[in-house]
Amino acid sequence: GAVVSQHPSRVICKSGTSVKIECRSLDFQATTMFWYRQFPKQSLMLMATSNEGSKATYEQGVEKDKFLINHASLTLSTLTVTSAHPEDSSFYICSASRGNTIYFGEGSWLTVV
Amino acid sequence: GDSVTQMEGPVTLSEEAFLTINCTYTATGYPSLFWYVQYPGEGLQLLLKATKADDKGSNKGFEATYRKETTSFHLEKGSVQVSDSAVYFCALSDMEQGGSEKLVFGKGTKLTVNP
Repeated sequence: GAVVSQHPSRVICKSGTSVKIECRSLDFQATTMFWYRQFPKQSLMLMATSNEGSKATYEQGVEKDKFLINHASLTLSTLTVTSAHPEDSSFYICSASRGNTIYFGEGSWLTVV
Repeated sequence: GDSVTQMEGPVTLSEEAFLTINCTYTATGYPSLFWYVQYPGEGLQLLLKATKADDKGSNKGFEATYRKETTSFHLEKGSVQVSDSAVYFCALSDMEQGGSEKLVFGKGTKLTVNP
């Protein structure tokens, strides 16, 4: 069964609104989770590292004020896309490590209209 | 920086055909190499991995050999099945850059296997 769960799998939001995506580790604690984004026909790109109890670490070129990451517990990280624009439409996916194995969530398709 | 270049898709094959998906990489350190698979509607799953030169990763009939001299990690399967239809991602993790859990991905190759 799933080890990392992501929700929602698909979401459509209006331009200018905010949308939250959740990433949960189901039966283990994850002090670190990672958020990736994939534009059509592009690679999965690391956006940020989510650290439990502290600020997220963002990759170069990712706006931290636009992509808010909260890792308030050892099993949950959330990514909030604020003031969404159509160009934010993308596939977002999270990952967490258990032991030496990296597990990915199912991914979330965001469409901003 | 590190990068992964993967064969562009889509790839369409008949059942029992031979599959090769090419993957080459550039890395400043000595990376671990991975193939991930994403079945329709599902998340990424690790298919196989190799952590040092000449290692061969294998799983579900798929194989890939870590070739340091050619910086390649090509995915192969001798006889594909319809159930292998998915998107395949080549990826690397460079220990020298720290954060071994961070992955650099190729663009993905969509494979469709027809009966």
